Amino acid sequence: SSELTQDPAVSVALGQTVRITCQGGSLRNSYATWYRQKPGQAPELVFYGVNNRPSGIPDRFSASTSRDTASLTITGARAEDEADYYCNSRDSSAVQWVFGGGTKVTVL
Amino acid sequence: QIQLMQSGAEVRKPGASVKVSCKASGYTFTRHWMHWVRQAPGQGLEWMGVINPIGDRALYGRKFQGRITMTRDTSTSTDYMELSSLRSEDTAIYYCARDSSDSLLGRTFWWFDPWGQGTLVTVSS
Repeated sequence: SSELTQDPAVSVALGQTVRITCQGGSLRNSYATWYRQKPGQAPELVFYGVNNRPSGIPDRFSASTSRDTASLTITGARAEDEADYYCNSRDSSAVQWVFGGGTKVTVL
Repeated sequence: QIQLMQSGAEVRKPGASVKVSCKASGYTFTRHWMHWVRQAPGQGLEWMGVINPIGDRALYGRKFQGRITMTRDTSTSTDYMELSSLRSEDTAIYYCARDSSDSLLGRTFWWFDPWGQGTLVTVSS
């Protein structure tokens, strides 16, 4: 399958933990990469590979993969984590990349 | 620092073409592929295609094949994305993003970083 499925929206109380999931056949052969996008800004890399965060991304962001599902977890959510989050991987045909539909994270 | 600087906003009529540029700086241009991604108003990210480091091969998303052309000028470290036969649904912000990849435990993974600031293309009669 060339699709990645994400829940459209999720909310989390300030300081609590939220997990964003991404499901698709391509994830059986490749790790998901995660991006966040705040209103009016370009997307920003948040997490890639097994345990890689770009400089500037705090360690409250973590990720995991199991079979065809990837997850991004925010532990101790802060107001500045409110954004749209997208997963991405190379699809099974190996000649296309695909994004999930995005998950809007609201911090209450 | 590593930067991708895109050209300015464009307005086109339906049926016309548009060419967006992305000038790279701060790294060795010919060591990285470059992706193009677009985002329609209020919508998610859509992968369009990628061009290889020396600019002689491009992979295009199935949706765009036949009306997209990606090129690069290695002498100026600039990538170009041209989209033809424009329609109103092509109104979007177009981003370039540098590709990197690695492998671990038999799995390859890719990441796009950095991204350009985006170029708004408006298609309207």
